[in-house]
Amino acid sequence: GEDVEQSLFLSVREGDSSVINCTYTDSSSTYLYWYKQEPGAGLQLLTYIFSNMDMKQDQRLTVLLNKKDKHLSLRIADTQTGDSAIYFCAESMRRDDKIIFGKGTRLHILP
Amino acid sequence: GAVVSQHPSWVICKSGTSVKIECRSLDFQATTMFWYRQFPKQSLMLMATSNEGSKATYEQGVEKDKFLINHASLTLSTLTVTSAHPEDSSFYICSARDRDRVRYGYTFGSGTRLTVV
Repeated sequence: GEDVEQSLFLSVREGDSSVINCTYTDSSSTYLYWYKQEPGAGLQLLTYIFSNMDMKQDQRLTVLLNKKDKHLSLRIADTQTGDSAIYFCAESMRRDDKIIFGKGTRLHILP
Repeated sequence: GAVVSQHPSWVICKSGTSVKIECRSLDFQATTMFWYRQFPKQSLMLMATSNEGSKATYEQGVEKDKFLINHASLTLSTLTVTSAHPEDSSFYICSARDRDRVRYGYTFGSGTRLTVV
């Protein structure tokens, strides 16, 4: 069945890079997403990647996909205090299909 | 950009009463909306897919008689928690997609925190 796994907590010093990892089980997943959720708020789509891509970069964000290992990562360069949030890895088979979420990784920024 | 308004943002109700949550697409039309439920420190659990003009599709284990979904127009879907109990307390989030801008994906509402006392 569909399952998305990610570590629950990550602590990073301000200015360092944050790397959040995720694994998924459904090999037919076509779209892989990273969402950000700030306290008490809804979800904000940060970026997504097609399964036929290996990497996608958008300003401070870099997404790496290893389709063979079903492993997705999100790297945030120069982590700032405003990056403190929960980051959800998610996948769907089609763009208009339901999205399956991981449990979220809480990113904590150390001064 | 696409904006989804969810109302109310928080609600406290007595056990046994019903609560209605609205999900509204403000500047686009949405044929499909999704309703999620989020428990503390857990992921979003998809509850149902709301389809404009037709019955909602519920995920396995979600009681459709308890969580009533109505998607009567292209800009509004409602979730009614009927005869609410404390175990229904949760954070409910909806998402919608602009039917004319598929590649932009889904936009999420800001969520509704329901507390049943």
